[in-house]
Amino acid sequence: QVQLQESGPGLVKPSETLSLTCTVSGGSISSYYWSWIRQPPGKGLEWVGYIYDSGSTTYNPSLKSRVSISVDMSKNQFSLKLSSVSAADTAVYYCARREWDILTGYRYFDHWGQGTLVTVSS
Amino acid sequence: QSVLTQPPSASETPGQRVTISCSGSSSNIGSNTVNWYQQLPGTAPKLLIYGGNQRPSGVPDRFSGSKSGTSASLAISGLQSEDEADYYCAAWDDDLIGVVFGGGTKVTVL
Repeated sequence: QVQLQESGPGLVKPSETLSLTCTVSGGSISSYYWSWIRQPPGKGLEWVGYIYDSGSTTYNPSLKSRVSISVDMSKNQFSLKLSSVSAADTAVYYCARREWDILTGYRYFDHWGQGTLVTVSS
Repeated sequence: QSVLTQPPSASETPGQRVTISCSGSSSNIGSNTVNWYQQLPGTAPKLLIYGGNQRPSGVPDRFSGSKSGTSASLAISGLQSEDEADYYCAAWDDDLIGVVFGGGTKVTVL
């Protein structure tokens, strides 16, 4: 059973860079798309971006200038960096696996981490 | 402001049927399949419906999805107390080139 676990600082100062890592266990990181999704307190879900094992990335246009997602195949991990953060970036950050069924074309998030709260505050 | 529009809340008594709508446009729901996620209080979202009407293993057949044009719906029949949760629709958007979510619907079992 694939499991995902987010890790990283729970508090980041305004204008600094938020950095999170997602460790994948119970399966290989190869041949899948890996995503970050966030949820501000009391609000809905927002897709941040995803990376394929080859390193190709797609980001939410609204965050594209500040986001970077990378993958470390040797550690079965992928990471998120979000620069120049403000209070608006305070959220629970989830990592998730994005399944892409080639036969049907279906694309969906089938495995999620438990989430980690990141607060932006001085 | 979410790209996909959902009602903020829905409620029904146990055993009844509740339906949640998700309205989008030709660039998302109109041309791509819709997925639904269930988020129980204090937990991570869980895949409930994918490909519009497919249920992952372990999801009861009380949950069903459908689509018509640029709108989709999630139906929960035989409503149970454990179905109290937030429900989110999601789809790929060809114009934004990314995944878009609905704002979520909180289902209350009266």
